Amino acid sequence: QVQLQESGPGLVKPSETLSLTCTVSGGSISSYSWSWIRQPPGKHLEWVGNVYNSGSTEYNPSLKSRVTISVDTSKNQFSLKLSSVTAADTAVYYCANVTRGAFHIWGQGTMVTVSS
Amino acid sequence: EIVLTQSPATLSLSPGERATLSCRASQSVSSHLAWYQQKPGQAPRLLIYDASNRATGIPARFSGSGSGTDFTLTINSLEPEDFAVYYCQQHSSWPPYSFGQGTKLEIK
Repeated sequence: QVQLQESGPGLVKPSETLSLTCTVSGGSISSYSWSWIRQPPGKHLEWVGNVYNSGSTEYNPSLKSRVTISVDTSKNQFSLKLSSVTAADTAVYYCANVTRGAFHIWGQGTMVTVSS
Repeated sequence: EIVLTQSPATLSLSPGERATLSCRASQSVSSHLAWYQQKPGQAPRLLIYDASNRATGIPARFSGSGSGTDFTLTINSLEPEDFAVYYCQQHSSWPPYSFGQGTKLEIK
């Protein structure tokens, strides 16, 4: 059974780059497509982007200029980089498996706060 | 971007009752709609995909219906563990995938 675990700094300074990693266990990362989704405190979910098993990516247009999602097959991990962060990027960040557009398996989430 | 509007914002019911949650899309999403359950401090859990298909391990009391712009999540005979926030999500037209703002199902 596939399981996901997010990791990365819980505090990032404004204007810096947020970097998170999702480790996939119980399955090969190359067999599936993957997503990052975030949820600001007390608010609803926002899709950040996908990386497909083909290696291609898609991003939320509202974040596209600042987002990069990549895969490291040797480590069975995929990662999120979000540049030039502001307080509006404070959120719980989830990684998830995406199959036919639905998010079937989720990580537990990691809280990232943007503050000086 | 397709906007999903969920109603009601809050639904107060008692265990054993039936819950009916609505999700309306700003344009047709065919049957490309999913439902998730989220409890405090937890990640969302997929309940329904493609409008009416239950995800793995989801009890039969959860059912989804609808197509086009109007969708319903029905929970028959509410159990105490069903009280949570429910989100709908479309994957018909992307990017971006979009989520509704959520319906909070609370104990009356």
